[in-house]
Amino acid sequence: RKEVEQDPGPFNVPEGATVAFNCTYSNSASQSFFWYRQDCRKEPKLLMSVYSSGNEDGRFTAQLNRASQYISLLIRDSKLSDSATYLCVVNINNNDMRFGAGTRLTVKP
Amino acid sequence: DADVTQTPRNRITKTGKRIMLECSQTKGHDRMYWYRQDPGLGLQLIYYSFDVKDINKGEISDGYSVSRQAQAKFSLSLESAIPNQTALYFCATSDRSGGAREQFFGPGTRLTVL
Repeated sequence: RKEVEQDPGPFNVPEGATVAFNCTYSNSASQSFFWYRQDCRKEPKLLMSVYSSGNEDGRFTAQLNRASQYISLLIRDSKLSDSATYLCVVNINNNDMRFGAGTRLTVKP
Repeated sequence: DADVTQTPRNRITKTGKRIMLECSQTKGHDRMYWYRQDPGLGLQLIYYSFDVKDINKGEISDGYSVSRQAQAKFSLSLESAIPNQTALYFCATSDRSGGAREQFFGPGTRLTVL
């Protein structure tokens, strides 16, 4: 079983749609959580950290459920520019970040 | 100018050849990492270094070695390249603040081993 699992998609949604991605992780000792965004043939970049109480950054909302070892990312009012692959990242300890394989999103006009 | 640079950006080589990938950063970060990315597998950590005298193996270090020549430079070597090392390689950096912090990635090196 992979340490971080994501639905690979692709998710194809129209502009303005709301879309949600899920991620599960296997290590209950995981300490911190992130969503990264990766555009085609580019490097990953931090989208947002994920806090236990849930957090929001504009159209993006991240949630964490430690009991179920589950992380989610919600994107409201999707834009064409949101098309990318979204990577779920879990930090096992200070040294060790584990990346999911990513969920691919395409937003269409 | 990019904060994390990688050279070369693309490389095609043959089985058995020695290859070095180089990474430089101007962010002043102490921590540096090497990852490889394969389709459907996500990024996997090869090696990481917390300072010039500190080198640690990651998930998939076999077949690779690294050198931290200075705080700003971290190179990855494939002593004898094999086809299953064909992948996209990323260097990353982070600062030494307590707890997990954002990692900043270079643009990647696309390596093909024939």
